[in-house]
Amino acid sequence: GAGVSQTPSNKVTEKGKYVELRCDPISGHTALYWYRQSLGQGPEFLIYFQGTGAADDSGLPNDRFFAVRPEGSVSTLKIQRTERGDSAVYLCASSPQSSYNEQFFGPGTRLTVL
Amino acid sequence: QKEVEQNSGPLSVPEGAIASLNCTYSDRVSQSFFWYRQYSGKSPELIMSIYSNGDKEDGRFTAQLNKASQYVSLLIRDSQPSDSATYLCAVNKGYSTLTFGKGTMLLVSP
Repeated sequence: GAGVSQTPSNKVTEKGKYVELRCDPISGHTALYWYRQSLGQGPEFLIYFQGTGAADDSGLPNDRFFAVRPEGSVSTLKIQRTERGDSAVYLCASSPQSSYNEQFFGPGTRLTVL
Repeated sequence: QKEVEQNSGPLSVPEGAIASLNCTYSDRVSQSFFWYRQYSGKSPELIMSIYSNGDKEDGRFTAQLNKASQYVSLLIRDSQPSDSATYLCAVNKGYSTLTFGKGTMLLVSP
């Protein structure tokens, strides 16, 4: 079946602009995660959804970052007033509720803030 | 001390050899452990999961877990050039989020 999809694959924006990154999880997966990966580092947790609600948003770096999952499927990560330090690959993963937290990643969105 | 530590490498092995990748974690409440493979410019791909002490084998891959020593390893037998990638160790503490190490780069030379 189809894997996790993310759009856009690349996003270049200017400092101070607003961006939205979209994630479409594997069909039937109830859990959805956002991670951020900088060069040479492992993915860093941002936020976790179980269904429509954010079960854990402790990884969001500040209040410029926000994410929603209104219908329990597609999720959007929103970044306001982007800064150069926000440049990274943003990864989305999903997991079936029945699994022992095996997470499957999408291809990622590479965000570049100029 | 970082929560999940891995040697960044690169670890270089000749084709056909066994590659041994190691990971230590700091939090004893960690419950499940994962190995992801990440090719350059691609996203992480889950290759192994392990939840209890001992060994778990899947094809050429064997994951080993020792909770007393807080140590996880991945063995790749008969290494192939296509195994060249960064291997990420990830740990789950019973919540749902994963904590990743920085990864170990593996280079398999023909």
